[in-house]
Amino acid sequence: GAVVSQHPSWVICKSGTSVKIECRSLDFQATTMFWYRQFPKQSLMLMATSNEGSKATYEQGVEKDKFLINHASLTLSTLTVTSAHPEDSSFYICSARDRTSGRGYEQYFGPGTRLTVT
Amino acid sequence: GEDVEQSLFLSVREGDSSVINCTYTDSSSTYLYWYKQEPGAGLQLLTYIFSNMDMKQDQRLTVLLNKKDKHLSLRIADTQTGDSAIYFCAENLGTGRRALTFGSGTRLQVQP
Repeated sequence: GAVVSQHPSWVICKSGTSVKIECRSLDFQATTMFWYRQFPKQSLMLMATSNEGSKATYEQGVEKDKFLINHASLTLSTLTVTSAHPEDSSFYICSARDRTSGRGYEQYFGPGTRLTVT
Repeated sequence: GEDVEQSLFLSVREGDSSVINCTYTDSSSTYLYWYKQEPGAGLQLLTYIFSNMDMKQDQRLTVLLNKKDKHLSLRIADTQTGDSAIYFCAENLGTGRRALTFGSGTRLQVQP
């Protein structure tokens, strides 16, 4: 089956620094990837839609200058948390759709990246 | 916006059936989904149901969809300790959108 990986799985950084999280589709091509954020014991909230070769689409309330998204290839999207603060500590999960799949329901999730900002 | 609601917690004994309920608001969703999340892990798609179906069964899992009441349920037969996890129902974020909106998640605890 289709696999989505994320790297790193866990990162601790100091306040004010930037952190890059990678999301890769390992055995399929994804023109669209999604970035979600999950606070402890809460649900996932969509942050942005990452589109290959074009600008990301951000959800209302998500700062595009703080959460930089780059979808440079059909298998890789990156999320950079700039000038991280403790309130950015969260579990970040990406998902991807196989562009060749005729099954509209299929969306594959990565294992998540836990970010802790000290 | 879309709103998906679930009860927060369910405890069952091993071997019993579990029923997790969900209500949603967007009647235009083509698919409705159930995902499972184990501690510290990502989401695993358990099953989905197409909006023109009332029921779908997949091994131990049965999904019921009541479109009139916008109610979705997941029944797990013969629940095992390995089924202990958080279960999220989800629907598409809006008409034509592929991103998902999730319920708050139901924590299922299976007691031996």
